[in-house]
Amino acid sequence: DIQMTQSPSTLSASVGDRVTITCRASQSISSWLAWYQQKPGKAPKVLIHKASSLQSGVPSRFSGSGSGTEFTLTISSLQPDDFATYYCQQYRNYSITFGQGTRLEIK
Amino acid sequence: QVQLVESGGGVVQPGRSLRLSCTVSGFTFSSYSIHWVRQAPGKGLEWVAFISYDGSDKYYADSVKGRFVISRDNSKNTIFLQMSSLKPEDTAVYFCARDSGWERSFDYWGQGSLVTVSS
Repeated sequence: DIQMTQSPSTLSASVGDRVTITCRASQSISSWLAWYQQKPGKAPKVLIHKASSLQSGVPSRFSGSGSGTEFTLTISSLQPDDFATYYCQQYRNYSITFGQGTRLEIK
Repeated sequence: QVQLVESGGGVVQPGRSLRLSCTVSGFTFSSYSIHWVRQAPGKGLEWVAFISYDGSDKYYADSVKGRFVISRDNSKNTIFLQMSSLKPEDTAVYFCARDSGWERSFDYWGQGSLVTVSS
């Protein structure tokens, strides 16, 4: 299976900050990477698909980049609603795996 | 609007079976593949199983292979996850999620159904 490693595991930041979360794949997944946001007690919500494509309805302060094995999710200016846990997911084939998650908390 | 609603969760003893259902509305069910994803309490997301739009292709995580079976009834807009030989480590919230297709992401999710495996 392809292992997905996110860093950091926890990130403390303030409203208005620019933050970046990194996701590394154990082997190349081309651009078959998605990012999800999850709030406590809720289902995940897709933010980015195909590494850098913004899902319809998602604010433009979210952006994704990367290909192969290194990927990033950037939030350009944190808003109060953005404090949540973020997961990357690879979907190169039908052995889909998620990163362990990054908890974004208020500093 | 697109909706996925899971049902069938509950408390079950180790070694027993349970069947989850995911009933969908708001889109052409027979045109979309569906996944099950689970999340143990306080833990991350784990992909569990996939079924193609017509039921012809099915894939499973190694952790459930041989114990779980995914199926669908396109006449009832429903996906099933038959879980057998349940273990305490299968305790989790189980989500069904729609496969977005060429974008290869999960674009709509249900609210989840809690399965607790305990004696």
